[in-house]
Formats: sequence, structure tokens, C-alpha cells
Amino acid sequence: SQQGEEDPQALSIQEGENATMNCSYKTSINNLQWYRQNSGRGLVHLILIRSNEREKHSGRLRVTLDTSKKSSSLLITASRAADTASYFCARGEDAGGTSYGKLTFGQGTILTVHP
Amino acid sequence: DAGITQSPRHKVTETGTPVTLRCHQTENHRYMYWYRQDPGHGLRLIHYSYGVKDTDKGEVSDGYSVSRSKTEDFLLTLESATSSQTSVYFCATSGGTGGETQYFGPGTRLLVL
Repeated sequence: SQQGEEDPQALSIQEGENATMNCSYKTSINNLQWYRQNSGRGLVHLILIRSNEREKHSGRLRVTLDTSKKSSSLLITASRAADTASYFCARGEDAGGTSYGKLTFGQGTILTVHP
Repeated sequence: DAGITQSPRHKVTETGTPVTLRCHQTENHRYMYWYRQDPGHGLRLIHYSYGVKDTDKGEVSDGYSVSRSKTEDFLLTLESATSSQTSVYFCATSGGTGGETQYFGPGTRLLVL
């Protein structure tokens, strides 16, 4: 499978703690994206990092990308109970402009934040 | 939220019957995608469309067909449903001002008995 691998599969923390999720992949990318899914809902885009970027921030989210190691991490700082959800990384193909925006998703990390 | 709706939201059907799921968008996005989501597999791409009447296969296309006769609608058909097609199906779109970002519909839960 060309899907990315996410680690850990599940993460349980207390409110106020930081949560770190990791994503590895096997082939070259154009971009890497992170999505969130609340139980029973569709996915919601969080952040996109391009292959020529190393770090990106959005509010309490920090994403890093290491293309030499083919890995990315998502850090959620000062977590809240409302952050409880599944988090997915998604790899955007490097297909010379013919990827048609396709993404390959990892299996996700289930984050539980206890009040 | 991008205006993406899916219908039906829930469906129970029997093995061997045809099933059609509909995705409708109001964002005029060029690209549309059908995924299935199963425990332990994340989201897997079934088919995608890069324009009206332009479609192609994804990772898990066997047993599925699609059609896109107008920009706003993307139909997924299970020609003869099997129990292995019990899943949650998500439609997504991209290609607007959000670039490569995909916007997801609420999903359709399909149970094949």
C-alpha cells in the first residue's frame, strides 16, 4: 500500500497537555496535509505544508515536514477536550501536474483529551 | 463549509442489488472524489473526476462505477452490492480557491446484508 503510516494509532492525554502525532510516507510528495474527523462526521482540513517547507503554524497547530526522512508531525499545543477527534495525514502526489489533487490518506490517530 | 451534500445519508440494501450514491456540490469545484472509510484502512480512493465526463479509477475501484454529467453532481454506483462494500462513503471536492485542499461531505453509511 502507498498509504502513509501514522503513529500512534491512539493517544490519550489530559487537557492542557500537548499532543504529537507522526506520519511517515514512502514516495515523493508535492504537499502533505492534515485533516480532523469528529465522530460520525466528514473530514475537515487543518493545515497544508508544501514539500519545500519545513514548518508551518496555524493557531495551536504546528506541522513539521522532513522530506529526507519522509515524515511529518502534527503538534497540538495546550489541548482541549474539544480537540478529541481522529487526525489524518494525507499525501499530495508529486505527479508533474497530473495528480488532479488526489490525496493518499494515512490510517489516522485517535486523540482523546480528558477534561 | 463548502456546500457538499450526499444522499442518501444511510442505506440498507441486500446483496446483489444496485445502489447509487449521489454527491452534490455548490462550489463549482473542478475535482471530485469518492472514498470509502473502513476500520483499520483509513480513507481509500475509489474513483475521482477531473471534469465533466472525465473520471478515472482510484485505489479500490473494483465493483464501483461513477458518472459526472455536470459539474455539481458525481454519482457512485455499486453495480451489484456485496457485503464487502458495507462501509462509510465520503465524497470530497477540490479545485476552488483552496487549491489542493479537499472539502468533504457528511458521508453515507451503507450496509449490505
